[in-house]
Amino acid sequence: EPEVTQTPSHQVTQMGQEVILRCVPISNHLYFYWYRQILGQKVEFLVSFYNNEISEKSEIFDDQFSVERPDGSNFTLKIRSTKLEDSAMYFCASSEGQGFYGYTFGSGTRLTVV
Amino acid sequence: LAKTTQPISMDSYEGQEVNITCSHNNIATNDYITWYQQFPSQGPRFIIQGYKTKVTNEVASLFIPADRKSSTLSLPRVSLSDTAVYYCLVGGTDSWGKLQFGAGTQVVVTP
Repeated sequence: EPEVTQTPSHQVTQMGQEVILRCVPISNHLYFYWYRQILGQKVEFLVSFYNNEISEKSEIFDDQFSVERPDGSNFTLKIRSTKLEDSAMYFCASSEGQGFYGYTFGSGTRLTVV
Repeated sequence: LAKTTQPISMDSYEGQEVNITCSHNNIATNDYITWYQQFPSQGPRFIIQGYKTKVTNEVASLFIPADRKSSTLSLPRVSLSDTAVYYCLVGGTDSWGKLQFGAGTQVVVTP
């Protein structure tokens, strides 16, 4: 079964540093997403990306965040000047088309800001 | 997006059937009902989706009454590995690009 791959699985960074979380979506998928889940809380939508541009973003996704598809396979989330409250699991997802059923999530990157 | 309400937690024994009901009184005509499963430290996984009546796949069944104001996810003969959080999501074309997860239902299966 095709998978969404995320690296690293765990990242520790100092407050104020920049981090890049990487994702390899399923190869024939066209829509890409980032979600986050703070420990013990809900899974929260951050951003969706299609045709090399952001199609939707939440209020969480402010200027501190950016996404990029630098090549034909990777999809990255950059967090500039990390804060303690950015500590969370970050999940990448992809889908072939739009629609709830088509979402495949990765196993996540646990980001710890110290 | 339609608001959903589901139990916070449910306990079951191995081999039993688990039924989780989700209320969505404000469901719109174009909305679909979708259930996801999440294990600890993993991303959510799609289980099943339906619009009305009954949908069944190899993992679960989804029962939707005629008024569509609620739905029930049925997990037949659960095992320990079915211990997870189960999320009910309701939405249509205006929300395809941004899933909105609630708190979900923590299902704990014990021997």
